[in-house]
Amino acid sequence: AQSVTQLDSQVPVFEEAPVELRCNYSSSVSVYLFWYVQYPNQGLQLLLKYLSGSTLVESINGFEAEFNKSQTSFHLRKPSVHISDTAEYFCAVITSKSGANNLFFGTGTRLTVIP
Amino acid sequence: DTGVSQNPRHKITKRGQNVTFRCDPISEHNRLYWYRQTLGQGPEFLTYFQNEAQLEKSRLLSDRFSAERPKGSFSTLEIQRTEQGDSAMYLCASNAGQTNTGELFFGEGSRLTVL
Repeated sequence: AQSVTQLDSQVPVFEEAPVELRCNYSSSVSVYLFWYVQYPNQGLQLLLKYLSGSTLVESINGFEAEFNKSQTSFHLRKPSVHISDTAEYFCAVITSKSGANNLFFGTGTRLTVIP
Repeated sequence: DTGVSQNPRHKITKRGQNVTFRCDPISEHNRLYWYRQTLGQGPEFLTYFQNEAQLEKSRLLSDRFSAERPKGSFSTLEIQRTEQGDSAMYLCASNAGQTNTGELFFGEGSRLTVL
């Protein structure tokens, strides 16, 4: 069965410090991987995605994630966080299964940036 | 605002009452999804429409739940005889194309509290 594991439910970090939000998936088929972000009182937004090609993908606000097939991971990193990065982050995976019920979300990691 | 719109944003109801949520997707999007999100969990798939056709339903969608998209534009999700376990955030998302690429545009959600 497809699953996505986000190991940390909450991550507090001081402003300007680096952060890593962990995501592991279990799958024996080709996958597409995503990070979604949910800012307070807003809907989920796509932050970045891995579909194919370079295993390192970047967002416009300084986050990056690296697809590691051997470790089945897609960890999200930022070298220096800002207060505005405070949000909940969801890792998601889509498999090659046909249909619409093939996007699976993790349980989320709440990132709190401390001034 | 050309994003996905959901209303009402909040609904408090007594057990046994019926509630209806509305979703207006991005106008050119033919695919529309409903998800449910409970505290501490990621979004879980409920159902999917391609244009006006409801093509998939999750096992989470009991017979008290019904969704429609009569003209292939807005959609409604009705819950009859609500139960306390129905309390959750109901998310609507949309995208375009023939397959689910995992890149969804989400609304801000409709939060249901059943007393």
